[in-house]
Amino acid sequence: DADVTQTPRNRITKTGKRIMLECSQTKGHDRMYWYRQDPGLGLRLIYYSFDVKDINKGEISDGYSVSRQAQAKFSLSLESAIPNQTALYFCATGFPGTDTQYFGPGTRLTVL
Amino acid sequence: QQQVKQSPQSLIVQKGGISIINCAYENTAFDYFPWYQQFPGKGPALLIAIRPDVSEKKEGRFTISFNKSAKQFSLHIMDSQPGDSATYFCAAPPGQTGANNLFFGTGTRLTVIP
Repeated sequence: DADVTQTPRNRITKTGKRIMLECSQTKGHDRMYWYRQDPGLGLRLIYYSFDVKDINKGEISDGYSVSRQAQAKFSLSLESAIPNQTALYFCATGFPGTDTQYFGPGTRLTVL
Repeated sequence: QQQVKQSPQSLIVQKGGISIINCAYENTAFDYFPWYQQFPGKGPALLIAIRPDVSEKKEGRFTISFNKSAKQFSLHIMDSQPGDSATYFCAAPPGQTGANNLFFGTGTRLTVIP
């Protein structure tokens, strides 16, 4: 069973639509992260959260919002999707004191 | 913030050869430098990490070499195998205290030819 799950795994949408990507974890970790991966650009941090009441912007938060509904759930929203948000999105979790991050399988998002 | 420069972008190595991937960073508030490995269709997974009270860390065929004065670190894969074919990312901590996220390099796609 996967410790970090992401839904959906693939999504095609149109410009201007609101999209939510969901992440759930069973690892009991306090820290959760959202990244996007683009060819040649690597992994870039969008938002991260160190507990339910803590939300922080990453390198590229413009156009995105997040919600930490519970320790185990962290959602990423695109309020009005645009084509340059087409990318592979990863959720990750972490535990204080270890620095290791555990990544989910990713969501491939295409915005037409 | 932090900038991490990773090279090469892609690498082709014969089976049994040595693969070397390099990363350079700007400044760091604390010392923790991991390498992540990503197979197609999967999320990245921690491969090996170093906290540089030492200049080198070895785990099996994988070694991190760290040069603090040059602000560089590298991943060496000895006796490279086709199963090592993947994308590798280095990462570095932020350049200022108060933040606990990682900054990733742009990735190196390694292909090991049988």
